[in-house]
Amino acid sequence: AQSVTQPDIHITVSEGASLELRCNYSYGATPYLFWYVQSPGQGLQLLLKYFSGDTLVQGIKGFEAEFKRSQSSFNLRKPSVHWSDAAEYFCAVCNSYGNKLVFGAGTILRVKS
Amino acid sequence: NAGVTQTPKFRVLKTGQSMTLLCAQDMNHEYMYWYRQDPGMGLRLIHYSVGEGTTAKGEVPDGYNVSRLKKQNFLLGLESAAPSQTSVYFCASSYSWPPGDREGTEAFFGQGTRLTVV
Repeated sequence: AQSVTQPDIHITVSEGASLELRCNYSYGATPYLFWYVQSPGQGLQLLLKYFSGDTLVQGIKGFEAEFKRSQSSFNLRKPSVHWSDAAEYFCAVCNSYGNKLVFGAGTILRVKS
Repeated sequence: NAGVTQTPKFRVLKTGQSMTLLCAQDMNHEYMYWYRQDPGMGLRLIHYSVGEGTTAKGEVPDGYNVSRLKKQNFLLGLESAAPSQTSVYFCASSYSWPPGDREGTEAFFGQGTRLTVV
């Protein structure tokens, strides 16, 4: 069965510090991978996605993620966090023939000044 | 361009009452989805639709029904609400599957409906 694990429920970083949010997936087929961000009271917004090709993908708001097939991981990174990045982040996976995006439980990011 | 609009945004129900959540999209998307979001569990798919007149069960369909009579609308019904259905409900839509395989085909989410069943 498809599953996505985000090991960190909460992460707190200082403004200006680097950030890495972890995502591991379990999937039998070639996965399509996504990171979404949810600001309080808002819907989900797509940050970036991986379908194929270069395993380092760039997204909006200065985020990037690296797909590592050998580790079944798709970690999200940002070199310097801004206070406006405080939000909940979700990793998700699907494949080409299903009709379901499977989400991780989410990681809540707090940014301290 | 409104995108995906959910109605209502908040609702409190008594156990046993019924209600319908409306999702409307103006992007001519074929695929529409209903998710529920619970703390520590991420989003779980309730039902989905791959086109007008079609519906299918997702991960957690029990206690819910859906209809897609018009392409732009996807309704989620609770016939007899239970406290376990207290949650935040999100509707999403996408042009195709998988969402985002081509430019402009990503999934778009509504702002959510916060439902409390007492």
